[in-house]
Amino acid sequence: NAGVTQTPKFRVLKTGQSMTLLCAQDMNHEYMYWYRQDPGMGLRLIHYSVGEGTTAKGEVPDGYNVSRLKKQNFLLGLESAAPSQTSVYFCASSYSTGAGAGNQPQHFGDGTRLSIL
Amino acid sequence: AQSVAQPEDQVNVAEGNPLTVKCTYSVSGNPYLFWYVQYPNRGLQFLLKYITGDNLVKGSYGFEAEFNKSQTSFHLKKPSALVSDSALYFCAVRDFKAAGNKLTFGGGTRVLVKP
Repeated sequence: NAGVTQTPKFRVLKTGQSMTLLCAQDMNHEYMYWYRQDPGMGLRLIHYSVGEGTTAKGEVPDGYNVSRLKKQNFLLGLESAAPSQTSVYFCASSYSTGAGAGNQPQHFGDGTRLSIL
Repeated sequence: AQSVAQPEDQVNVAEGNPLTVKCTYSVSGNPYLFWYVQYPNRGLQFLLKYITGDNLVKGSYGFEAEFNKSQTSFHLKKPSALVSDSALYFCAVRDFKAAGNKLTFGGGTRVLVKP
């Protein structure tokens, strides 16, 4: 059981370039999330999705776009990368349906380390 | 709005001694509280959660946490720390009414267990 898989693991971009980070989960989870992790700031939610075809903004959405065309995949896009977007990006997923689903933990991938020069 | 504070950036403890990592929270309704651990170059791993019921929650790897509603705290504890417990620990809170099961994380506490 792979859980949550993030691709790529590392990437270096130049300012202004674009790229897409891919997240795939094999647990049939409805909810998926994108976070960024910066030193001393914990994890901050960028965007999230409560189901296929739906997305919503999180705490720090500016400069990012997302898509959830398939239930198992959640894509994070940077249209024009900026040095401030240098960070470690984590994808997570969780259950949403059924009694008690709201108290289920989120499951995390191992992250994508992104540097913008 | 929901928020979490982890007042210590780093906790140092000798192997075999008790370990405590502090967390306080703020939510408008009833809280769901979580602890996660992160090892180098890895994602967050779930340790334990408080939803309702007994204030003392037991989790993975011998960790436990105590929910204190009056002090709005959820401190993580381990009676006897191991060198392998050295990692980054995150407390997280969710208001049970929050849409999308969104979590708010604290800034993290680095634990260093010395032999």
